[in-house]
Amino acid sequence: EAQVTQNPRYLITVTGKKLTVTCSQNMNHEYMSWYRQDPGLGLRQIYYSMNVEVTDKGDVPEGYKVSRKEKRNFPLILESPSPNQTSLYFCASSQRAGKNTEAFFGQGTRLTVV
Amino acid sequence: AQSVSQHNHHVILSEAASLELGCNYSYGGTVNLFWYVQYPGQHLQLLLKYFSGDPLVKGIKGFEAEFIKSKFSFNLRKPSVQWSDTAEYFCAVSGGSQGNLIFGKGTKLSVKP
Repeated sequence: EAQVTQNPRYLITVTGKKLTVTCSQNMNHEYMSWYRQDPGLGLRQIYYSMNVEVTDKGDVPEGYKVSRKEKRNFPLILESPSPNQTSLYFCASSQRAGKNTEAFFGQGTRLTVV
Repeated sequence: AQSVSQHNHHVILSEAASLELGCNYSYGGTVNLFWYVQYPGQHLQLLLKYFSGDPLVKGIKGFEAEFIKSKFSFNLRKPSVQWSDTAEYFCAVSGGSQGNLIFGKGTKLSVKP
């Protein structure tokens, strides 16, 4: 089954403790991205990757890192999480960057930083 | 920069009422347009998409949307809503060479049985 898989689904952590949220897709998609969803703000893009070893900042990249060493994986790293990063995070992938392609979303990761 | 506006934050309807959710975008070039739905506690699912061609697009679950280029709009419609349509709806646009997806802030739809 074609899917985008995120882990973990739920995470509670303390301020400053490094964490990684994994994202994997099995559709051989070139383009992957991370969003955070906050009430009243919709989804905002954190980082995106157009292919292996090609990543770039989205609209809200501060406090986050990503890597794209393999096509299927696009982990989101919070080196020193803070309470304002408490949010619902979604990973998405699409066949390629550019036009005429739709995004597939993971199930989401609800992160709470205390 | 691209942006997407969804006019209604929260819409409350009774079952069988008709639905129209507004979406306007700002981008001067060719765009792809999407509506996603998020049921409570779930991830985003694609309702429908517009790439080119017929500006009236039919999606899943009886939803449709009309692309009006002159108005930069892509409103979502359904003739008769059901209680199971209670969800949050997001309009999104992508354009340009990178095609990053830009979302509106979402509209919560509550359908009373």
